[in-house]
Amino acid sequence: GQNIDQPTEMTATEGAIVQINCTYQTSGFNGLFWYQQHAGEAPTFLSYNVLDGLEEKGRFSSFLSRSKGYSYLLLKELQMKDSASYLCAVRDRTSGTYKYIFGTGTRLKVLA
Amino acid sequence: NAGVMQNPRHLVRRRGQEARLRCSPMKGHSHVYWYRQLPEEGLKFMVYLQKENIIDESGMPKERFSAEFPKEGPSILRIQQVVRGDSAAYFCASSPPIDREQYFGPGTRLTVT
Repeated sequence: GQNIDQPTEMTATEGAIVQINCTYQTSGFNGLFWYQQHAGEAPTFLSYNVLDGLEEKGRFSSFLSRSKGYSYLLLKELQMKDSASYLCAVRDRTSGTYKYIFGTGTRLKVLA
Repeated sequence: NAGVMQNPRHLVRRRGQEARLRCSPMKGHSHVYWYRQLPEEGLKFMVYLQKENIIDESGMPKERFSAEFPKEGPSILRIQQVVRGDSAAYFCASSPPIDREQYFGPGTRLTVT
């Protein structure tokens, strides 16, 4: 079957580093995405990994290990505005069509 | 280049009425996805459409729900005879053909009274 797991909530301090983990099980893996969603708003794209390794984009980095079915999102120099939900999503290509499967999201609280 | 547009942003319906949600994808995007999100939960895939074609509707309830993406005009998600359990945020996302990330609209928040 298809399954994505990520922690429900995390808390960190302003200026710190936080790592949000995501594990997945899917039969037709075709890429992993991270989205940020502030309360009451639409998800916004953060990063995309399809090959193993680290993708860095400013304060945000995302890592993928396909053999382990594992990814993490790393947020550095945390700011108060980073308080949001972070959604891990896997693109699955089974039966010839693409489908995006989302985790339930990790609610990150950044404290002053 | 305008982003993904959805309207209405908020919709209130009484039980038994019909809800019609519209989504205009970004210019140049031919793929549209609809998702439902309940409070404090993740996004649940409902349906994936291309122009004039439903590609995958495996996440959409078989009854009362339908979706279309006509050759001209926005994609429509239609919910007939709404019930309280249909209250949720409905997000539309669009992407160019294959291999690119999705871009989300602002969502329609449906409340059934």
